Amino acid sequence: AQTVTQSQPEMSVQEAETVTLSCTYDTSENNYYLFWYKQPPSRQMILVIRQEAYKQQNATENRFSVNFQKAAKSFSLKISDSQLGDTAMYFCAFMKPYNNNDMRFGAGTRLTVKP
Amino acid sequence: DAGVIQSPRHEVTEMGQEVTLRCKPISGHNSLFWYRQTMMRGLELLIYFNNNVPIDDSGMPEDRFSAKMPNASFSTLKIQPSEPRDSAVYFCASSLTPGQGNEKLFFGSGTQLSVL
Repeated sequence: AQTVTQSQPEMSVQEAETVTLSCTYDTSENNYYLFWYKQPPSRQMILVIRQEAYKQQNATENRFSVNFQKAAKSFSLKISDSQLGDTAMYFCAFMKPYNNNDMRFGAGTRLTVKP
Repeated sequence: DAGVIQSPRHEVTEMGQEVTLRCKPISGHNSLFWYRQTMMRGLELLIYFNNNVPIDDSGMPEDRFSAKMPNASFSTLKIQPSEPRDSAVYFCASSLTPGQGNEKLFFGSGTQLSVL
């Protein structure tokens, strides 16, 4: 079974600095998808970034980038130039192809950006 | 695109009452999911529809929970009778048919349910 582990329940960062959130997963699959979702106090789950396992290039979306290490089964999220609006819960998630009904989520990391 | 729309945003009810949560998926999406989020259990998939047909309802906790999708643009999750342990945030999500890179879910803003 696939599991997703986020070992940092809480983190904080000063505004404008860089922070990295960790995620590891366990799977025997060769092809799959990895995601980072953001859940701000408004509660909505917002897709931040998505990585396809067969692509070696790390995904980036503006200030958000990932460090995907397939052999190590690691998928960390780097937030550059942190902003107050980045304060949120961040969930790492895993999905096999053709299995939209089986998205596995980590327990989440609560990130606080301090002014 | 308006995104996935859920209503109500908050629902407070008394134990034993019927609760109905509503969801409008993104237009063109043919997969719809109901999730429940609690501190103890995180995000749990309750039920999954594809082309309006329930495909997997193994996550529905009890017979008190039921879900319908009468058409491609509307779904309901009903709890009857409600109990305090049903208090949680309920999310609806939608996606395109998986494959060809469509593997991603778009979530609504959730309904915060409190059963007193």
